[in-house]
Amino acid sequence: QVQLQESGPGLVKPSGTLSLTCAVSGGSISSSNWWSWVRQPPGKGLEWIGEIYHSGSTNYNPSLKSRVTISVDKSKNQFSLKLSSVTAADTAVYYCARDLNYYDSSGYYSSWGQGTLVTVSS
Amino acid sequence: SSELTQDPAVSVALGQTVRITCQGDSLRSYYASWYQQKPGQAPVLVIYGKNNRPSGIPDRFSGSSSGNTASLTITGAQAEDEADYYCNSRDSSGNFVVFGGGTKLTVL
Repeated sequence: QVQLQESGPGLVKPSGTLSLTCAVSGGSISSSNWWSWVRQPPGKGLEWIGEIYHSGSTNYNPSLKSRVTISVDKSKNQFSLKLSSVTAADTAVYYCARDLNYYDSSGYYSSWGQGTLVTVSS
Repeated sequence: SSELTQDPAVSVALGQTVRITCQGDSLRSYYASWYQQKPGQAPVLVIYGKNNRPSGIPDRFSGSSSGNTASLTITGAQAEDEADYYCNSRDSSGNFVVFGGGTKLTVL
């Protein structure tokens, strides 16, 4: 059973860059699955950020696309999220997730990390 | 269109059947998936595709779809089913994923 674990700073200053990593265990980042980031502001709903395939192919939420970069590190079996020019509106619990489909992204997320809270504040 | 609409809150008497709906244009092209989220926990996939349940999900959870509406039905709701439920699907273009706003289910 694949397990996902998010890590990164819990506090980021406004206008800075949020950087998170999702470590994958019990499976390979090079498997034929897509890997995603989803966030949830306190007390609000889920928002899809983007996804990556081990080849490096990516898809991003159009509303965040100009600020988001998702990358994969096969040597460390992990993938990462960078969100630039952050504001208080980016304060959220950030989750990483694995798509259960093979080759094609379906948006069906069968595995999730436990989530990590990132607060944007000076 | 890139929006999925859910009722903010629904309630059901213990042991009764409840349907939670999700509406959006993308659902004419793509099946939804459904997630249960309890306070302080990560979402859990309960239904995906036409009507598939991951291993470990009780068979009282089922899914259906018609036109631009996807539905999650809980037949014989239990106290432990009280949670927030989210739908999602790929958007109409297929290029990204969109989530519904979520439905808070209360079991009375």
